[in-house]
Amino acid sequence: DTAVSQTPKYLVTQMGNDKSIKCEQNLGHDTMYWYKQDSKKFLKIMFSYNNKELIINETVPNRFSPKSPDKAHLNLHINSLELGDSAVYFCASSQKVAGDEQFFGPGTRLTVL
Amino acid sequence: SQKIEQNSEALNIQEGKTATLTCNYTNYSPAYLQWYRQDPGRGPVFLLLIRENEKEKRKERLKVTFDTTLKQSLFHITASQPADSATYLCALPNSGSARQLTFGSGTQLTVLP
Repeated sequence: DTAVSQTPKYLVTQMGNDKSIKCEQNLGHDTMYWYKQDSKKFLKIMFSYNNKELIINETVPNRFSPKSPDKAHLNLHINSLELGDSAVYFCASSQKVAGDEQFFGPGTRLTVL
Repeated sequence: SQKIEQNSEALNIQEGKTATLTCNYTNYSPAYLQWYRQDPGRGPVFLLLIRENEKEKRKERLKVTFDTTLKQSLFHITASQPADSATYLCALPNSGSARQLTFGSGTQLTVLP
């Protein structure tokens, strides 16, 4: 009974391709997030959704497009992948928008060749 | 702008000793602070949240302090064990938007047997 799950775990692709990462949480939380962790281990927020509505959109290239079909799912689609997109992407969820612990998924390691 | 610093990228201690990790922040007065643990190849796991009106919080062998005057949080692991070896991240609500967390770069703790 995984709380926050992501697929795939690993993603290796060529520059210029389009790819998607899926995230699902079974905790009944209202808020979901996408984070990027680079090679230096900095964890940076990319997007946040609350009840399927976008509430945080950091300075992220518009090649990245999140989609939340329902409260339990937040997918990340990336167009025209670039070398610099290589990183580990984490999905997370929390009950409330702020001041609450966040539950993270296992991460998706994206490698762009 | 808000800045978070965690002491030393790596910390090695002997089993049984107390590990003390530091999280300093500037240009901000957060309402709370969180600590997470991250193991290699996994997502961060929430450990503790301490609010600005709390000086200290404990959970089993973990203790967190929050000094709003010094703008510092200390994270202690008493009677450390090799299984405590991991990277520990502090996180604060973003000064621009309390809806998102800003993470420190983490301290990699190694407990030597």
